[in-house]
Amino acid sequence: LAKTTQPISMDSYEGQEVNITCSHNNIATNDYITWYQQFPSQGPRFIIQGYKTKVTNEVASLFIPADRKSSTLSLPRVSLSDTAVYYCLVKRRAAGNKLTFGGGTRVLVKP
Amino acid sequence: EAGVAQSPRYKIIEKRQSVAFWCNPISGHATLYWYQQILGQGPKLLIQFQNNGVVDDSQLPKDRFSAERLKGVDSTLKIQPAKLEDSAVYLCASSSIAGGHNEQFFGPGTRLTVL
Repeated sequence: LAKTTQPISMDSYEGQEVNITCSHNNIATNDYITWYQQFPSQGPRFIIQGYKTKVTNEVASLFIPADRKSSTLSLPRVSLSDTAVYYCLVKRRAAGNKLTFGGGTRVLVKP
Repeated sequence: EAGVAQSPRYKIIEKRQSVAFWCNPISGHATLYWYQQILGQGPKLLIQFQNNGVVDDSQLPKDRFSAERLKGVDSTLKIQPAKLEDSAVYLCASSSIAGGHNEQFFGPGTRLTVL
C-alpha cells in the first residue's frame, strides 16, 4: 500500500502561492500521483495527476522529482474560495486505479 | 454532462434500524465506488464495482453492509442493522475506463446520523 504523508493544515492569504508537499516513499513504478480537493458538504474533486517532472493545468501545478518519492501541489494566487481539504493520493494502476485517502491537508485562505 | 446523483442527501435513524442509499453514476461510467467518510477523516473505500461485478469489497463490513449494482448502472448501499459508529457521509463515485486520467467523479454524499 502506497501510504502518503502530508501536512495536517496550512494557512495562507489571498493572492499568495500555496505549496503542499506530500511524501510517498514506497510508490511503485506504475503508480500515478493524483490530488483531490474537497469543500465542506461536497464530495472530493479531481485537481491534477502526474507521473514525473511537472504537470500544469488551469487550476494547479504538480512537481514530481526524479525519484518520485514526493510531490508538491502548487496553487497560484489563492482566493478565499480555495479554502478546502487537499488530498494527495497514489493511484495504484495494479489495483484497478484504487485510491486510498489519508487525512488530507486543510488549507485556510485568509483575507 | 450530469454528475453523480445520490439520494437521500440526509438521513436520521435510530440504532438497529435499516437504511438504504441510492446512487446513479455518470452515464457510461463502468466503475462505481462507495466510500464512507467519518467527520474529520478522508473517505474510506467500502466497495468497488466494475459494471455489475464486485472488484474490491475488502473493507465492507459484510455482517451489516451490503451493496448491489444489478444492471451495471445505478447502485444501492444498505446497512442493516445500523450502529452508532455508522454515522458518516456515504459518498458514491464513478469513473470511466476509457482513457484519460481515470479520475473519479464524486456525488454530493448522503449524511447519515444514527441515534
